[in-house]
Amino acid sequence: DAGVIQSPRHEVTEMGQEVTLRCKPISGHDYLFWYRQTMMRGLELLIYFNNNVPIDDSGMPEDRFSAKMPNASFSTLKIQPSEPRDSAVYFCASGVGQNIQYFGAGTRLSVL
Amino acid sequence: RKEVEQDPGPFNVPEGATVAFNCTYSNSASQSFFWYRQDCRKEPKLLMSVYSSGNEDGRFTAQLNRASQYISLLIRDSKLSDSATYLCVVKGSSNTGKLIFGQGTTLQVKP
Repeated sequence: DAGVIQSPRHEVTEMGQEVTLRCKPISGHDYLFWYRQTMMRGLELLIYFNNNVPIDDSGMPEDRFSAKMPNASFSTLKIQPSEPRDSAVYFCASGVGQNIQYFGAGTRLSVL
Repeated sequence: RKEVEQDPGPFNVPEGATVAFNCTYSNSASQSFFWYRQDCRKEPKLLMSVYSSGNEDGRFTAQLNRASQYISLLIRDSKLSDSATYLCVVKGSSNTGKLIFGQGTTLQVKP
Protein backbone atom coordinates (compact mmCIF):
# COMPACT_ATOMS: atom_id res chain seq x y z
CA ASP A 1 0.00 0.00 0.00
CA ALA A 2 1.25 3.49 -0.85
CA GLY A 3 0.13 4.97 2.44
CA VAL A 4 -1.68 8.25 2.87
CA ILE A 5 -0.92 10.52 -0.07
CA GLN A 6 -1.04 14.29 0.25
CA SER A 7 -0.60 16.94 -2.39
CA PRO A 8 0.98 19.31 -2.91
CA ARG A 9 4.01 18.71 -0.67
CA HIS A 10 4.83 22.40 -0.64
CA GLU A 11 2.64 25.38 -1.33
CA VAL A 12 3.66 29.02 -1.38
CA THR A 13 0.93 31.54 -1.93
CA GLU A 14 0.10 35.15 -1.31
CA MET A 15 -2.26 36.43 1.31
CA GLY A 16 -5.84 36.43 0.10
CA GLN A 17 -5.44 33.54 -2.30
CA GLU A 18 -7.41 30.31 -2.10
CA VAL A 19 -5.46 27.22 -1.09
CA THR A 20 -6.64 23.64 -1.59
CA LEU A 21 -4.88 20.73 0.05
CA ARG A 22 -5.61 17.18 -1.05
CA CYS A 23 -5.50 13.81 0.63
CA LYS A 24 -5.95 10.22 -0.48
CA PRO A 25 -6.36 7.93 2.54
CA ILE A 26 -5.26 4.33 2.76
CA SER A 27 -7.79 2.10 1.05
CA GLY A 28 -10.19 0.50 3.49
CA HIS A 29 -9.67 3.04 6.26
CA ASP A 30 -12.94 4.45 7.56
CA TYR A 31 -11.54 7.47 9.44
CA LEU A 32 -9.81 10.50 7.98
CA PHE A 33 -8.25 13.32 9.98
CA TRP A 34 -6.84 16.74 9.11
CA TYR A 35 -4.21 18.24 11.43
CA ARG A 36 -2.18 21.41 11.49
CA GLN A 37 1.27 21.58 13.07
CA THR A 38 3.16 24.71 14.12
CA MET A 39 6.06 25.26 16.48
CA MET A 40 3.91 27.32 18.80
CA ARG A 41 0.81 25.15 19.00
CA GLY A 42 2.09 21.69 18.12
CA LEU A 43 -0.20 19.23 16.35
CA GLU A 44 -3.84 20.31 16.34
CA LEU A 45 -6.79 18.33 15.05
CA LEU A 46 -8.85 20.42 12.66
CA ILE A 47 -11.59 18.02 11.59
CA TYR A 48 -12.21 14.33 11.16
CA PHE A 49 -14.53 12.18 9.08
CA ASN A 50 -15.99 8.74 9.61
CA ASN A 51 -17.23 6.97 6.49
CA ASN A 52 -16.98 10.29 4.61
CA VAL A 53 -19.19 12.13 7.12
CA PRO A 54 -17.69 15.02 9.14
CA ILE A 55 -17.90 14.09 12.81
CA ASP A 56 -16.03 16.81 14.67
CA ASP A 57 -14.98 20.11 13.14
CA SER A 58 -14.50 21.95 16.41
CA GLY A 59 -10.83 22.43 15.65
CA MET A 60 -11.41 24.34 12.42
CA PRO A 61 -10.07 27.82 13.22
CA GLU A 62 -12.71 29.89 11.47
CA ASP A 63 -15.01 30.11 8.49
CA ARG A 64 -12.10 30.56 6.12
CA PHE A 65 -11.38 26.84 6.54
CA SER A 66 -13.55 24.14 5.01
CA ALA A 67 -13.08 20.43 4.43
CA LYS A 68 -14.89 17.91 2.27
CA MET A 69 -14.76 14.20 1.71
CA PRO A 70 -16.82 13.44 -1.40
CA ASN A 71 -15.87 9.76 -1.39
CA ALA A 72 -13.85 7.22 0.55
CA SER A 73 -10.67 7.85 -1.40
CA PHE A 74 -10.41 11.63 -1.44
CA SER A 75 -10.60 14.63 0.86
CA THR A 76 -9.79 18.32 0.53
CA LEU A 77 -9.01 21.07 2.99
CA LYS A 78 -9.59 24.54 1.63
CA ILE A 79 -8.51 27.91 3.00
CA GLN A 80 -10.16 30.97 1.47
CA PRO A 81 -8.86 33.61 1.82
CA SER A 82 -5.48 32.55 3.14
CA GLU A 83 -3.58 34.61 5.71
CA PRO A 84 0.09 34.55 6.82
CA ARG A 85 -0.93 33.01 10.18
CA ASP A 86 -2.17 29.97 8.28
CA SER A 87 1.44 29.07 7.46
CA ALA A 88 2.02 25.61 8.91
CA VAL A 89 2.41 21.96 8.01
CA TYR A 90 -0.95 20.34 7.31
CA PHE A 91 -1.18 16.59 7.82
CA CYS A 92 -3.83 14.20 6.72
CA ALA A 93 -4.13 10.88 8.55
CA SER A 94 -6.35 7.84 8.14
CA GLY A 95 -7.17 4.83 10.25
CA VAL A 96 -9.37 1.84 10.80
CA GLY A 97 -11.46 2.38 13.88
CA GLN A 98 -10.61 5.17 16.21
CA ASN A 99 -7.14 4.53 17.52
CA ILE A 100 -4.07 4.07 15.37
CA GLN A 101 -3.67 6.72 12.72
CA TYR A 102 -1.36 6.70 9.71
CA PHE A 103 -0.12 10.08 8.60
CA GLY A 104 0.69 11.40 5.17
CA ALA A 105 3.93 13.26 4.52
CA GLY A 106 2.19 16.61 4.99
CA THR A 107 1.81 19.82 3.01
CA ARG A 108 4.10 22.65 4.02
CA LEU A 109 2.12 25.85 3.45
CA SER A 110 3.66 29.30 3.38
CA VAL A 111 1.37 32.30 3.01
CA LEU A 112 3.27 35.48 2.18
CA ARG B 1 -3.91 23.54 31.55
CA LYS B 2 -3.12 21.54 28.43
CA GLU B 3 -4.84 18.19 28.05
CA VAL B 4 -1.53 16.43 27.44
CA GLU B 5 1.72 17.86 28.77
CA GLN B 6 5.28 16.88 28.02
CA ASP B 7 8.68 18.32 28.82
CA PRO B 8 9.83 19.62 25.42
CA GLY B 9 13.51 18.97 26.21
CA PRO B 10 15.77 18.63 24.38
CA PHE B 11 17.21 15.61 26.11
CA ASN B 12 20.84 15.24 25.03
CA VAL B 13 22.24 11.80 25.84
CA PRO B 14 25.27 9.77 24.72
CA GLU B 15 24.87 6.59 22.72
CA GLY B 16 24.11 3.63 24.93
CA ALA B 17 22.41 5.69 27.61
CA THR B 18 19.01 4.98 29.07
CA VAL B 19 16.54 7.84 28.86
CA ALA B 20 12.98 8.23 30.11
CA PHE B 21 10.22 10.62 29.17
CA ASN B 22 7.07 11.31 31.10
CA CYS B 23 3.77 12.73 29.97
CA THR B 24 0.76 13.80 32.04
CA TYR B 25 -2.85 13.97 30.92
CA SER B 26 -5.76 15.85 32.45
CA ASN B 27 -8.78 13.72 31.56
CA SER B 28 -9.03 10.91 34.08
CA ALA B 29 -11.53 9.13 31.86
CA SER B 30 -9.03 8.77 29.00
CA GLN B 31 -8.94 5.23 27.71
CA SER B 32 -6.21 4.76 25.15
CA PHE B 33 -2.63 5.91 25.12
CA PHE B 34 0.14 5.90 22.56
CA TRP B 35 3.63 7.09 21.81
CA TYR B 36 4.30 8.44 18.34
CA ARG B 37 7.69 9.33 16.94
CA GLN B 38 8.30 12.25 14.60
CA ASP B 39 11.59 12.74 12.79
CA CYS B 40 12.64 16.22 11.73
CA ARG B 41 10.44 17.50 8.88
CA LYS B 42 8.62 14.16 8.68
CA GLU B 43 5.19 12.90 9.65
CA PRO B 44 4.37 11.34 13.03
CA LYS B 45 4.47 7.56 13.12
CA LEU B 46 3.11 5.20 15.73
CA LEU B 47 5.89 3.92 17.97
CA MET B 48 3.82 1.86 20.37
CA SER B 49 0.53 1.65 22.19
CA VAL B 50 0.58 1.88 25.98
CA TYR B 51 -1.25 -0.80 27.91
CA SER B 52 -2.36 -0.72 31.52
CA SER B 53 0.01 -3.52 32.45
CA GLY B 54 2.93 -1.86 30.70
CA ASN B 55 4.50 -3.17 27.56
CA GLU B 56 7.87 -3.59 25.97
CA ASP B 57 9.05 -3.57 22.37
CA GLY B 58 12.75 -4.27 22.10
CA ARG B 59 14.61 -1.40 23.72
CA PHE B 60 11.41 0.56 24.34
CA THR B 61 9.20 0.20 27.41
CA ALA B 62 5.95 2.07 27.97
CA GLN B 63 4.17 2.39 31.30
CA LEU B 64 0.81 3.80 32.30
CA ASN B 65 -0.03 5.11 35.77
CA ARG B 66 -3.75 5.83 35.83
CA ALA B 67 -3.80 6.96 39.46
CA SER B 68 -1.29 9.71 38.76
CA GLN B 69 -2.41 10.21 35.17
CA TYR B 70 0.95 9.86 33.56
CA ILE B 71 2.56 7.80 30.86
CA SER B 72 6.23 7.05 30.49
CA LEU B 73 8.55 5.89 27.75
CA LEU B 74 11.90 4.32 28.54
CA ILE B 75 14.55 3.86 25.89
CA ARG B 76 17.47 1.59 26.74
CA ASP B 77 20.82 1.45 24.96
CA SER B 78 19.92 4.53 22.90
CA LYS B 79 21.11 4.71 19.30
CA LEU B 80 21.89 7.71 17.11
CA SER B 81 18.82 6.75 15.09
CA ASP B 82 16.60 7.26 18.14
CA SER B 83 17.08 11.03 17.77
CA ALA B 84 13.59 12.37 17.12
CA THR B 85 10.62 14.01 18.81
CA TYR B 86 8.43 11.68 20.84
CA LEU B 87 4.76 12.57 21.01
CA CYS B 88 2.53 11.43 23.83
CA VAL B 89 -1.00 10.77 22.58
CA VAL B 90 -4.21 10.27 24.54
CA LYS B 91 -7.67 9.27 23.40
CA GLY B 92 -10.61 10.55 25.37
CA SER B 93 -13.34 8.53 26.97
CA SER B 94 -16.11 9.26 24.54
CA ASN B 95 -16.71 7.09 21.55
CA THR B 96 -14.97 9.39 19.12
CA GLY B 97 -11.90 9.23 16.98
CA LYS B 98 -10.23 12.25 18.52
CA LEU B 99 -6.64 11.83 19.64
CA ILE B 100 -4.93 14.54 21.68
CA PHE B 101 -1.24 15.01 20.95
CA GLY B 102 1.29 16.43 23.36
CA GLN B 103 3.79 18.98 22.14
CA GLY B 104 6.50 16.35 22.04
CA THR B 105 9.83 15.70 23.74
CA THR B 106 12.94 16.06 21.63
CA LEU B 107 15.72 13.52 22.05
CA GLN B 108 19.23 14.02 20.67
CA VAL B 109 21.54 11.02 20.94
CA LYS B 110 25.19 12.00 20.59
CA PRO B 111 28.08 9.76 19.50
